[in-house]
Amino acid sequence: DAGVIQSPRHEVTEMGQEVTLRCKPISGHDYLFWYRQTMMRGLELLIYFNNNVPIDDSGMPEDRFSAKMPNASFSTLKIQPSEPRDSAVYFCASSLGGGPYTEAFFGQGTRLTVV
Amino acid sequence: AQSVTQLGSHVSVSEGALVLLRCNYSSSVPPYLFWYVQYPNQGLQLLLKYTTGATLVKGINGFEAEFKKSETSFHLTKPSAHMSDAAEYFCAVRSGGGADGLTFGKGTHLIIQP
Repeated sequence: DAGVIQSPRHEVTEMGQEVTLRCKPISGHDYLFWYRQTMMRGLELLIYFNNNVPIDDSGMPEDRFSAKMPNASFSTLKIQPSEPRDSAVYFCASSLGGGPYTEAFFGQGTRLTVV
Repeated sequence: AQSVTQLGSHVSVSEGALVLLRCNYSSSVPPYLFWYVQYPNQGLQLLLKYTTGATLVKGINGFEAEFKKSETSFHLTKPSAHMSDAAEYFCAVRSGGGADGLTFGKGTHLIIQP
């Protein structure tokens, strides 16, 4: 398996523009997570899905952020409008099963820069 | 609420020396503990995880961690550091019986001196 695939790897956009980050989880995995990594706050969980249904979006910073999972093989994280403080590395991860010991497999991340 | 504290944002050791990365957790219920490693420009990779039973957990690349409930700690060690161990290391906790998201520490950057 190719692992979790994220695109693009790098994104530079101007403040106010819409940004869409994409994720393809590992085939067969039923959980999908979106994390954000910044120097100040470290790794933060934004939202996660189980069987394509959002379970907990309490980590989404504000209404400018939205995430969807239209099917088991694709998810998007959208920021509209983007702001410089959204600059970060965004990771998608997937896992199989609902146990507490479940390993999450991470993609390589999307480095977002908002200027 | 659960939280993870990693002491030392940067740790520097000589090649061949002992590696010790500290992690303390706070959890209202028995925790499920993990160590992940992140190499430059890469995603996170699981090093090891604590499950019930043996308190000393062995992971990949010669790393191991010991769960000490009395000290609420899960420190990561490796007897002999290698240059390839240079990376960012994250301790993480998941509380409860589900598969919800992990709570990560701020990370420790491990530097290996030749």
